[in-house]
Amino acid sequence: DQQVKQNSPSLSVQEGRISILNCDYTNSMFDYFLWYKKYPAEGPTFLISISSIKDKNEDGRFTVFLNKSAKHLSLHIVPSQPGDSAVYFCAASEGLAGGTSYGKLTFGQGTILTVHP
Amino acid sequence: NAGVMQNPRHLVRRRGQEARLRCSPVKGHSHVYWYRQLPEEGLKFMVYLQKENIIDESGMPKERFSAEFPKEGPSILRIQQVVRGDSAAYFCASSPFGPSYNEQFFGPGTRLTVL
Repeated sequence: DQQVKQNSPSLSVQEGRISILNCDYTNSMFDYFLWYKKYPAEGPTFLISISSIKDKNEDGRFTVFLNKSAKHLSLHIVPSQPGDSAVYFCAASEGLAGGTSYGKLTFGQGTILTVHP
Repeated sequence: NAGVMQNPRHLVRRRGQEARLRCSPVKGHSHVYWYRQLPEEGLKFMVYLQKENIIDESGMPKERFSAEFPKEGPSILRIQQVVRGDSAAYFCASSPFGPSYNEQFFGPGTRLTVL
């Protein structure tokens, strides 16, 4: 039961162009979404997040868009740089919705982004 | 470096041995989450602990696995009688708050290899 899905295992982009990473979810109780970046042999590093009351959040070169009706979010990186090459994970939690989720994160499978110089 | 610390970074065990993985959260964080990443997969939640309490262990295998977060010292994930299927990267994350709109800060992980 994959509640968070990243359907593209990999993405290749030219330096300076836009990278768009996609993520779909099925659990309507999710109300907080995060993107993490991970280099080999390291832990995930937080990039940007968005709560379900918003449809867009921007931080420098990174923008996350949330479409609640479609249960879809995307991460835009503009402009892409070679140092952005990494695995990107989408994650979701029930945030303050409570219940018995206790804030645990549910991750997608990850998308390998390669930015070519 | 005030980040999440995990040790050892690499751990090799033979089948049937015990593995102990340690996690020191960010100073001042009292909420710890453990996740496991199997090869070619995303991270999967295992257990959520606060100081001296296990809050949610719904992602933990029912046998051989246990976790603690004592009043003093690091959080420990313990795997008894390891099997080859336990080979994975184990990540610890900490948060200043529990269920809330806050990111979790991850450690570098412990890579467990079972021979």
